[in-house]
Order: sequence, then C-alpha cells, then structure tokens
Amino acid sequence: QKEVEQDPGPLSVPEGAIVSLNCTYSNSAFQYFMWYRQYSRKGPELLMYTYSSGNKEDGRFTAQVDKSSKYISLFIRDSQPSDSATYLCARTNDYKLSFGAGTTVTVRA
Amino acid sequence: DAGVIQSPRHEVTEMGQEVTLRCKPISGHNSLFWYRQTMMRGLELLIYFNNNVPIDDSGMPEDRFSAKMPNASFSTLKIQPSEPRDSAVYFCASSLDLYDRISYEQYFGPGTRLTVT
Repeated sequence: QKEVEQDPGPLSVPEGAIVSLNCTYSNSAFQYFMWYRQYSRKGPELLMYTYSSGNKEDGRFTAQVDKSSKYISLFIRDSQPSDSATYLCARTNDYKLSFGAGTTVTVRA
Repeated sequence: DAGVIQSPRHEVTEMGQEVTLRCKPISGHNSLFWYRQTMMRGLELLIYFNNNVPIDDSGMPEDRFSAKMPNASFSTLKIQPSEPRDSAVYFCASSLDLYDRISYEQYFGPGTRLTVT
C-alpha cells in the first residue's frame, strides 16, 4: 500500500466550477501535508501546506485535513482555465516527501 | 533568482550508454533532491543531499545509478549503463533546509526527459 493514495482522474470541469481533490494517507505520524501543482512539462511547485486538522484558505484555494480519518482535500473555487494542471498531494515528517499519484484537472473555458 | 537549473532538458540515448544529468540548485539552499517521475510509479525520491553530503540514497533503484554533489552549486545523476526502463522525467529539487526544520517546501527544476531506446 502506498503511503499516500490519490485518484489520478482525469477530472474535467467547466470554468467557474468548484474543483474537489482528495487523498488518503496511511501513517498517522505524518505532520505536514502539502499540495503541489504541476503544469504540463514543468516541475511541481508548492501550492499550499498545512500541519493541523481543519481548513486553510489562500485566495480561491482551500486545503482541508482530517487527521482522524487520514483524509486530505483541496478545493478550488471559481476555477479558471489557468488552473488546468496536475495536483499532487504530499506529506512529510522530515525531508522526505511522499507524493500521491497526482490528479490531472482540466478547466474548460 | 533563476531557480533550479537542470540540463539537458531532453536526452535520447541508446541502451547501454552512459547518461549524466546535471543540476544547479538555488543559491543558498542546503538540501538537494533527485526525483524520478513516471506514469506507473509517480514521483519517487532517489537521493537526498544535505550540505553536499548524501544522507539517504535508499531510493536509488540499482547500482547503475550514482549521484554526486562536489560543491554547493552542482550535482550530477549518472546512469551507467542505461536501460529502456530508465526512461522517465528526472527532477532535481532544492530547499533551504536546516536539521531542525521540516523540508516541506522544495523548489523543483524543469526536469530532464530521458528516453532510452
């Protein structure tokens, strides 16, 4: 079993829709949870991170962690075509990031 | 800052040949990571350096793979001999990492797309 499980999609939504992405993890000792965004033919870039249960907002993006159920979510409000990318969830306790498979999202104009 | 720089961006080689991938981390970053990304296995950590010293190479798949970091501004990942199953995108990442910090923010380079025929 992978440490972080993520549905690879793909996910296609119309512009303006809410995008909902989810991951589950297996090790309850994990402390930090991140979402990375990867555009086609580019390297991943950190989008958001959190270390506690609950919600964290940054503009149109909300990261949610539920440590009791080992569930990580990312919500994108008012999605734009520029949000079309692969979104990877990740977790770490130290230097080693464990990534999910990534979900490819397409926002249709 | 130019970010993490990788070269070459694309490499096509024949099975059995030696391949060398290069990386220049962000100036001032203490930690450097090599990753491999494939459709089947996703993004996998191969090796991690801190202050030019290899700390964890447990992700290196075989002895055919080796990595060096001779100084703070340069690292190489070498595959010798290369095989078709090594075809992947190889990323280098760096972070401003101290031993008492969690290295959750890693800055990735654009990657090297390797094809071994």
